[in-house]
Amino acid sequence: KAGVTQTPRYLIKTRGQQVTLSCSPISGHRSVSWYQQTPGQGLQFLFEYFSETQRNKGNFPGRFSGRQFSNSRSEMNVSTLELGDSALYLCASSLNRGQVIHEQFFGPGTRLTVL
Amino acid sequence: GENVEQHPSTLSVQEGDSAVIKCTYSDSASNYFPWYKQELGKRPQLIIDIRSNVGEKKDQRIAVTLNKTAKHFSLHITETQPEDSAVYFCAAHAGGTSYGKLTFGQGTILTVHP
Repeated sequence: KAGVTQTPRYLIKTRGQQVTLSCSPISGHRSVSWYQQTPGQGLQFLFEYFSETQRNKGNFPGRFSGRQFSNSRSEMNVSTLELGDSALYLCASSLNRGQVIHEQFFGPGTRLTVL
Repeated sequence: GENVEQHPSTLSVQEGDSAVIKCTYSDSASNYFPWYKQELGKRPQLIIDIRSNVGEKKDQRIAVTLNKTAKHFSLHITETQPEDSAVYFCAAHAGGTSYGKLTFGQGTILTVHP
């Protein structure tokens, strides 16, 4: 099976711009979770989608949003970029059904740099 | 919400020694505890996980123990090798409506010296 893929791998933006990141899960996985990884804060949960519905959301401002398509691919969007948004954005896919959690498989991440 | 503390932040051992990383969690409803290894420039990869109905789990040189009463769990790596050098993250899942949310510890940088 192909693993989780993310595009683009690297992105450089300036403050005030917006950005869209994409994640393609493992075939058959309907759950996609997004995390922000920074040296100071570690891995922090952004949100999770399952069957096109957001099931859970972390403590991030409304500038961070996401969506999921019928083929389970997911996108996240960050509007009005700030310097502090520079980070590695990781998505993870899983078989998660109901309230039972299964292993999360991570993508390679998108490295976002905000200048 | 759930909070996970991980110690130590850095750990340096000689090849062949054992390494132990400890995590504590705050939510007594947490029921799933994975450990991830992240090599430099690579994605996190699951190395072992444990559910709350089990006290210990082993996979070759790696083991995880869980103490639900004390709300802590630990990763044990025996006979360490240089290729074990990486950042290790513990995580907890709070069950219920947490769905796909994992709460991670801050990470431990493990260095194994040949």
